[in-house]
Amino acid sequence: NAGVMQNPRHLVRRRGQEARLRCSPMKGHSHVYWYRQLPEEGLKFMVYLQKENIIDESGMPKERFSAEFPKEGPSILRIQQVVRGDSAAYFCASSPLPTTNEKLFFGSGTQLSVL
Amino acid sequence: QQQVKQSPQSLIVQKGGISIINCAYENTAFDYFPWYQQFPGKGPALLIAIRPDVSEKKEGRFTISFNKSAKQFSLHIMDSQPGDSATYFCAATPSYNQGGKLIFGQGTELSVKP
Repeated sequence: NAGVMQNPRHLVRRRGQEARLRCSPMKGHSHVYWYRQLPEEGLKFMVYLQKENIIDESGMPKERFSAEFPKEGPSILRIQQVVRGDSAAYFCASSPLPTTNEKLFFGSGTQLSVL
Repeated sequence: QQQVKQSPQSLIVQKGGISIINCAYENTAFDYFPWYQQFPGKGPALLIAIRPDVSEKKEGRFTISFNKSAKQFSLHIMDSQPGDSATYFCAATPSYNQGGKLIFGQGTELSVKP
């Protein structure tokens, strides 16, 4: 059973470009969470999605950021017109149920570097 | 009130020693307190977790101590090994949150010297 798969592992973008980060949850998991980790900081919650629904986006910046989890395919975190401050590690986690904390599994992350 | 404060930021321990990492919180609604271990280039992995109905939980060399009145909890790593060298994050969440919405501490970089 493969774990949470994130790609790409590393992504380099120039200021103003778009970044697309993909996350495939563990098999049987239909709940996906995105977190951002800035250098020397803890992880910060961004958004919680179920298939075709955004459940909680309270941690998502209001502009330039969007997320989706379509019926088929991976969850996508999209950052438009990237700025240097977007440089961070972005982690995706998945769980089979929303209330089972012990079943939350993280991917290895995407390191976004904005030049 | 939604913060979790973690200390120390970094910790160096000799092999065989005890590593102690502390966390404090303000929100009395928090009722799930996990610790995550993260190796370089990897995502966090759940190490051990506790709920406020107990004051201590032990799994192998790892123990969580929980002080509800002080709103503090700590991770103790007994007989620390070089393989324990990693970044450790405490986290917390209230039961009304969705299961995966955790509030993390700032992290502690642990280095165990042989």
